[in-house]
Amino acid sequence: QKEVEQDPGPLSVPEGAIVSLNCTYSNSAFQYFMWYRQYSRKGPELLMYTYSSGNKEDGRFTAQVDKSSKYISLFIRDSQPSDSATYLCAMIVSGYALNFGKGTSLLVTP
Amino acid sequence: KAGVTQTPRYLIKTRGQQVTLSCSPISGHRSVSWYQQTPGQGLQFLFEYFSETQRNKGNFPGRFSGRQFSNSRSEMNVSTLELGDSALYLCASSLGLAGGPIPSGELFFGEGSRLTVL
Repeated sequence: QKEVEQDPGPLSVPEGAIVSLNCTYSNSAFQYFMWYRQYSRKGPELLMYTYSSGNKEDGRFTAQVDKSSKYISLFIRDSQPSDSATYLCAMIVSGYALNFGKGTSLLVTP
Repeated sequence: KAGVTQTPRYLIKTRGQQVTLSCSPISGHRSVSWYQQTPGQGLQFLFEYFSETQRNKGNFPGRFSGRQFSNSRSEMNVSTLELGDSALYLCASSLGLAGGPIPSGELFFGEGSRLTVL
């Protein structure tokens, strides 16, 4: 069983909807939690990161971490067709060995 | 500022052959990490190099190896290719500061080298 689990989707929503993406994990030692976005035929790019539990907001994106439940979420408000991509959660204890979820494919339709 | 450059972008090999992939990090970055991405397993960490030294290694067989040169460019090699090695191999560069990419500086990924093993 992977340390990080993520529903692969695909998830299809209409433009303007609120999108909720989630990951669960099993390693309580994870300290940093990240969300990456990957467009087709491109490498992942960092969207947001959080340290330990709590919320972090950046424009239309909000990341939440609940360490007690080992559950993290990414919310996208007012979703746009340009948000259509695969969203990957990633976690690390320390160092550069990121543990990724398999990614959720999101399609925002006009 | 130029991004992470990976070559070749696409390649096809047959079982039993070996392959070498190259990664040029962002100028000034001293850490290079390699990841394998497959539909079944997602992104999995292979290894990370900093100043020509392997600092960390993932759970992959010894057929997977890498190295880093004094100019921070890195290569990874896969010997005795198997069908299951077909994947997108991603390289990521970072400043390489102790403690990891967060919050000292993020990982910047290249577009990957897509390997198909027939």
